[in-house]
Amino acid sequence: DQQVKQNSPSLSVQEGRISILNCDYTNSMFDYFLWYKKYPAEGPTFLISISSIKDKNEDGRFTVFLNKSAKHLSLHIVPSQPGDSAVYFCAAAFNTGKLIFGQGTTLQVKP
Amino acid sequence: DGGITQSPKYLFRKEGQNVTLSCEQNLNHDAMYWYRQDPGQGLRLIYYSQIVNDFQKGDIAEGYSVSREKKESFPLTVTSAQKNPTAFYLCASTTDHGQGRVDGYTFGSGTRLTVV
Repeated sequence: DQQVKQNSPSLSVQEGRISILNCDYTNSMFDYFLWYKKYPAEGPTFLISISSIKDKNEDGRFTVFLNKSAKHLSLHIVPSQPGDSAVYFCAAAFNTGKLIFGQGTTLQVKP
Repeated sequence: DGGITQSPKYLFRKEGQNVTLSCEQNLNHDAMYWYRQDPGQGLRLIYYSQIVNDFQKGDIAEGYSVSREKKESFPLTVTSAQKNPTAFYLCASTTDHGQGRVDGYTFGSGTRLTVV
């Protein structure tokens, strides 16, 4: 039973446009949600997080939106750059710190 | 510089053999984790440890074992009982557990294990 789901395995966007990556979850008790970026043969790197009591968090080109009623969060990247091409993982966490990851979405930003 | 070191980067194992993956961190983090990455399945938790001399099973612990004798080290042994061990293994650590805020884990660069 997958508690965190990323239903789109891949996404392709043009450089300069917006990239929107989506994530759904089933457990309403999650306290935090996070996004990670991963290049091949490397460990994931932390991008941005959001507390369950907020609905938006912004950091430069990256914004995460949380819709608790729909159990849905999304990561917006504006403007998208070729260097953003990577696998993006959504993750959810309880206050205990254990992270549960989604399957990942591969983003390709075309020049 | 502080960080997490996983070694080796590539590892080949014959069927029926046990193999141990190393994970060392100098971040003074209390909690350490092992994940496995397979195509299309994201990162799945194998084992985690929130304090020295204590560890818990994750979602896919069968065929694996760990130890946490030192705060800095959390080695993972892939035993011959693991039916499909070929995967990319990631170690992570964090200081934020049970403290009300999770800024994220610090990950190592991973070990690619291949059974030959």
